[in-house]
Amino acid sequence: EAGVTQSPTHLIKTRGQQATLRCSPISGHTSVYWYQQALGLGLQFLLWYDEGEERNRGNFPPRFSGRQFPNYSSELNVNALELEDSALYLCASSLRETLFTEAFFGQGTRLTVV
Amino acid sequence: SQKIEQNSEALNIQEGKTATLTCNYTNYSPAYLQWYRQDPGRGPVFLLLIRENEKEKRKERLKVTFDTTLKQSLFHITASQPADSATYLCAQPQASGGSYIPTFGRGTSLIVHP
Repeated sequence: EAGVTQSPTHLIKTRGQQATLRCSPISGHTSVYWYQQALGLGLQFLLWYDEGEERNRGNFPPRFSGRQFPNYSSELNVNALELEDSALYLCASSLRETLFTEAFFGQGTRLTVV
Repeated sequence: SQKIEQNSEALNIQEGKTATLTCNYTNYSPAYLQWYRQDPGRGPVFLLLIRENEKEKRKERLKVTFDTTLKQSLFHITASQPADSATYLCAQPQASGGSYIPTFGRGTSLIVHP
């Protein structure tokens, strides 16, 4: 069974541009979580989607947004990119009823803003 | 607000020894704690979950303890091997906006020397 897949694996953007990151959860998982991991820092919670709805949001500016599609895949959009947005963006998925007690991470998208 | 603290200094040990990593938290005790392994540039991999009513959990060479009095979880790797070298993260659910968000410590780097 395929795990959580994220694309692209690497992304290079210029300051001010927009970035779109994608996540496909494990089949049957309806919850998707997004995290940012800047170099040397811990995982910072960004967004939680379940059944197509945004369930919670971390302490990030509105230019970080996303959505979840009917097939439960998800997109993370970052507008007006800043140099500090350079980080590893991680997606995790879980079954709704297990919440994060049984969550699986993808390999991440390395976003570099130049 | 709740804080999760892990030793930021790398832990260096010799192969065959037991590695012990610490996760401390402030304020309230969470319903459960998780431990993950993360290799450089990769997504975290779930290792163990321990609930508040459990004192100890084991899985092969791994052992986790949960002391709600000390507000601390210890993660042990017995008979450590160079392949165990990685960053180990602890995580717990934290109340936010009417739901619980999985929140991670910064992780402790373990280096096992042959």
